[in-house]
Amino acid sequence: EVQLVESGGGLVKPGGSLRLSCASSGFTFSDAWMSWVRQAPGKGLEWVGRFKSKAAGGTTDYAAPVKGRFTISRDDSRNTLHLQMNSLKTDDTAVYYCTTVTWASAFDYWGQGTLVTVSS
Amino acid sequence: QSVLTQPPSVSAAPGQKVTISCSGSTSNIGNNYVSWYQQFPGTAPKLLIYDNNRRYSGIPDRFSGSKSGTSGTLGITELQTGDEADYYCGTWDSSLSVVVFGGGTKLTVL
Repeated sequence: EVQLVESGGGLVKPGGSLRLSCASSGFTFSDAWMSWVRQAPGKGLEWVGRFKSKAAGGTTDYAAPVKGRFTISRDDSRNTLHLQMNSLKTDDTAVYYCTTVTWASAFDYWGQGTLVTVSS
Repeated sequence: QSVLTQPPSVSAAPGQKVTISCSGSTSNIGNNYVSWYQQFPGTAPKLLIYDNNRRYSGIPDRFSGSKSGTSGTLGITELQTGDEADYYCGTWDSSLSVVVFGGGTKLTVL
């Protein structure tokens, strides 16, 4: 059974940093493209970024609002995905979901999400 | 303002059929695959349809997807009260080099 379990969310002040982690199991993590999707309270889905598998080049892509502030990394030896978030803004307040993503940008497996609140 | 446009809400009676549209452009829907997601309050979204019209594992055939030009459509037949949820479309945008989602459609089964 595929499992994605996010951790690391919490309350942080504007300008602060936070690191989210996503522990995965039940599939070959190193072969998977991984992504983060967020959802602000009462709002729709917003893509944050993705990390392609090593076989597909191992590159990353980011949404414009987070580019330069957020960094996605992966540890294939530990089946773990990370999201380093710096220079956080109140607009970054959201539930952050870890997902697997196909080459055609379909998000097939989702974690339960972790809430990040950016507030003074 | 979402890149993909969905109606904010749709409604229909139990047993009826409903369609949800997702309008984009040549840079996204027109040249990429569309996927559809169902989300109940307080839970993670679930993949329903991928690659325009392929049902994901375990999704009943009451759910269908199609694409024509720069628009995608999700169809749900034999509506049940348990289908009340928010539905989102998504795709890759080749010009922006990002994944884009629709704003979501709230389905009410009256």
